Amino acid sequence: AQSVAQPEDQVNVAEGNPLTVKCTYSVSGNPYLFWYVQYPNRGLQFLLKYITGDNLVKGSYGFEAEFNKSQTSFHLKKPSALVSDSALYFCAVRETGANNLFFGTGTRLTVIP
Amino acid sequence: NAGVTQTPKFQVLKTGQSMTLQCAQDMNHNSMYWYRQDPGMGLRLIYYSASEGTTDKGEVPNGYNVSRLNKREFSLRLESAAPSQTSVYFCASSEALGGRGPQHFGDGTRLSIL
Repeated sequence: AQSVAQPEDQVNVAEGNPLTVKCTYSVSGNPYLFWYVQYPNRGLQFLLKYITGDNLVKGSYGFEAEFNKSQTSFHLKKPSALVSDSALYFCAVRETGANNLFFGTGTRLTVIP
Repeated sequence: NAGVTQTPKFQVLKTGQSMTLQCAQDMNHNSMYWYRQDPGMGLRLIYYSASEGTTDKGEVPNGYNVSRLNKREFSLRLESAAPSQTSVYFCASSEALGGRGPQHFGDGTRLSIL
């Protein structure tokens, strides 16, 4: 069975500080991992993905994520947070060869000016 | 680039009424999906269509039906709406089912059932 967990419902960070949004996953085989961002009254926007290769993945708007197979984690990071990064962030996983994408429950990021 | 377009954006129904949510994509994607988003529960897959002419149940299909009208369009129908179906509904598309590419989402339909 596939599942993904986002252990923090809410993350607050000061503008200019580094941010981390955590994600852990569970799959039987190899994972495809995705991060999405959702702004108010909008759909989910794709940020980045891990399929294979380098464990550090770079994506849109200066975000990056590190795949850690031993810890089954895929944490989202950014070196310097902007107020405009405030949004709801979703991690998603699909096992290689499976059809469906499973989403976490989301983490609300608030960047404080 | 419109991407994925959903109509309507908002709708209020009474219990027992029927409704069809429309979705169209202009990216020539093969696969399309319907999700519902509820507070604290993330997104849950209702139905999906791997390609034109095929549809399959997702995690929470009860109370819904779908039609893949053509490659571009994938509609979701509530035959007899219930208050438990109050939610935000998202349509998404991707190049292929189970592929490496991301899903692309519309802006959602906010549905309230009274």
